[in-house]
Amino acid sequence: GEDVEQSLFLSVREGDSSVINCTYTDSSSTYLYWYKQEPGAGLQLLTYIFSNMDMKQDQRLTVLLNKKDKHLSLRIADTQTGDSAIYFCAESIPYSNSGYALNFGKGTSLLVTP
Amino acid sequence: DTEVTQTPKHLVMGMTNKKSLKCEQHMGHRAMYWYKQKAKKPPELMFVYSYEKLSINESVPSRFSPECPNSSLLNLHLHALQPEDSALYLCASSQDPSGEQFFGPGTRLTVL
Repeated sequence: GEDVEQSLFLSVREGDSSVINCTYTDSSSTYLYWYKQEPGAGLQLLTYIFSNMDMKQDQRLTVLLNKKDKHLSLRIADTQTGDSAIYFCAESIPYSNSGYALNFGKGTSLLVTP
Repeated sequence: DTEVTQTPKHLVMGMTNKKSLKCEQHMGHRAMYWYKQKAKKPPELMFVYSYEKLSINESVPSRFSPECPNSSLLNLHLHALQPEDSALYLCASSQDPSGEQFFGPGTRLTVL
């Protein structure tokens, strides 16, 4: 499919907020996801947002969705060194009549420094 | 049980070997997926099983052969692989084909 765009790298200081941005491609996507991947590990589902929502908050995580611009962001408050990982944005797109497939961005590598 | 498990964690095989990767979930999910992930790249979808039937095959070479023996188990049979097939193979499952996907820890495959 078309590319889901993310910036490749972000560095923040411990305690600051991190904002990771994503531009997705399919305006008919019903769900948009954020996954976290630590080195050598699988993908951890962090949060998701339904397309009829503008914002979703879950503890330190805030997701903002701008459907008009097809822009999604993930804000991590009070970022900790354990938040250092690669963060993937993914859109859920219909795949023929067989269900849905995830179209991933290239991932943003977040580095949190003490 | 709220996780997806994968075995083995690591696998090294020669190009003439036959091996299998295994994935299991006991969350009652009815859709299961295989993804391939190369280093510093996003996961790429390989296969989707929906209600134990193969519904998506993303033009994957026949040296990869998926199998879904029951709703909890997904296998990936490997035969005559190439060195470029070395990657992290991730399994995922979802409640249904439209639901959020939960990933296993992956199998790190090296083909010599």
